[in-house]
Amino acid sequence: DAKTTQPNSMESNEEEPVHLPCNHSTISGTDYIHWYRQLPSQGPEYVIHGLTSNVNNRMASLAIAEDRKSSTLILHRATLRDAAVYYCILSANSGYSTLTFGKGTMLLVSP
Amino acid sequence: GAVVSQHPSWVICKSGTSVKIECRSLDFQATTMFWYRQFPKQSLMLMATSNEGSKATYEQGVEKDKFLINHASLTLSTLTVTSAHPEDSSFYICSARNDRAGNTIYFGEGSWLTVV
Repeated sequence: DAKTTQPNSMESNEEEPVHLPCNHSTISGTDYIHWYRQLPSQGPEYVIHGLTSNVNNRMASLAIAEDRKSSTLILHRATLRDAAVYYCILSANSGYSTLTFGKGTMLLVSP
Repeated sequence: GAVVSQHPSWVICKSGTSVKIECRSLDFQATTMFWYRQFPKQSLMLMATSNEGSKATYEQGVEKDKFLINHASLTLSTLTVTSAHPEDSSFYICSARNDRAGNTIYFGEGSWLTVV
């Protein structure tokens, strides 16, 4: 699986937007960009995924660069419950693909 | 949304005994499930890929005779830690691929294993 690079940690204030970056310069044409987050002592939670176009769902938005070498997960209004480790993962999204986790970004949200 | 359930959520066992952890996909069928291990303040490490009706595929360095995986149905996979030792104490997490939802993978809540 192609490697991703994320900042170790980021801080935000409650109610403010958060932009979590991810670099994946070696992404291949068939790799989807997946985002998961993990709260303390819980399993990872699916957030969003995309291939080329920007994606929106009830949890977040995913902005994908035109060359696909980077992407940004956008939380429109951070809440305290959004404090978690966010993982950006590349995967082929086929029936044979796996998810390989890096270190992720620990998001700290202050009241 | 899709739900994956693990049981037990935590277990304490004596050194030398075996313990089984169950992983169930509650509202979808999953031909493929995955088992991860996570030590404190570290990321998830894939242990094995479990395929319904066939043998699991283990990652390099994971002992298949110690971590027995059975995936007997499309909604259930089990991980048995045999002859557990204190160094096996960890957070074990399963995930399941929803074959009908764009192959999205969903994770269970995790199971804490403490070997004393």
